[in-house]
Amino acid sequence: GQNIDQPTEMTATEGAIVQINCTYQTSGFNGLFWYQQHAGEAPTFLSYNVLDGLEEKGRFSSFLSRSKGYSYLLLKELQMKDSASYLCAVKGSNYQLIWGAGTKLIIKP
Amino acid sequence: GAVVSQHPSWVICKSGTSVKIECRSLDFQATTMFWYRQFPKQSLMLMATSNEGSKATYEQGVEKDKFLINHASLTLSTLTVTSAHPEDSSFYICSARDPDRGDSSPLHFGNGTRLTVT
Repeated sequence: GQNIDQPTEMTATEGAIVQINCTYQTSGFNGLFWYQQHAGEAPTFLSYNVLDGLEEKGRFSSFLSRSKGYSYLLLKELQMKDSASYLCAVKGSNYQLIWGAGTKLIIKP
Repeated sequence: GAVVSQHPSWVICKSGTSVKIECRSLDFQATTMFWYRQFPKQSLMLMATSNEGSKATYEQGVEKDKFLINHASLTLSTLTVTSAHPEDSSFYICSARDPDRGDSSPLHFGNGTRLTVT
């Protein structure tokens, strides 16, 4: 079957760094996306990885290891507004997106 | 960047009535759009894939006669929830990707429609 695992919830402190992990087992791989979703709102695109390595975008970075079926989203200099759910999604062999359940990130002052 | 517009943002309707939700791609042509549903504190669930000029593809367990999808143009897809019941109350979100931006182009989401059936 196809499976994407993320922690359900994480807590971090304002100004700190947090890493949200995502492991996947899918039939085929054509890229991995990270999205941010604030409560009651639609998801917004954060990053895309298709090759191994680190992609950096400002305070957010995303890493991929295809051999390990593993990705992480790294958030630096956390701000209160970063409190949200973070969704990992893998594009499978048929190019359809397979979604993780999301990680709810709680930022404390 | 690519923008997807969804309307209405929220709607309250009585049980047994039908509700139509519109999804538009504003600056690109989308031959395919995706309709998701999300219950509170749960992840996105793909309901159906809307294909311009042809029938939608529904995910297992989604009733095609209850959730009517029409994709009549390259910029507009509609989802109609027919004979709505309280259990249909949910957050419905459409999405599309710009095909001209290649395989790495992400899905862009509309702002979602919160449906409450009383």
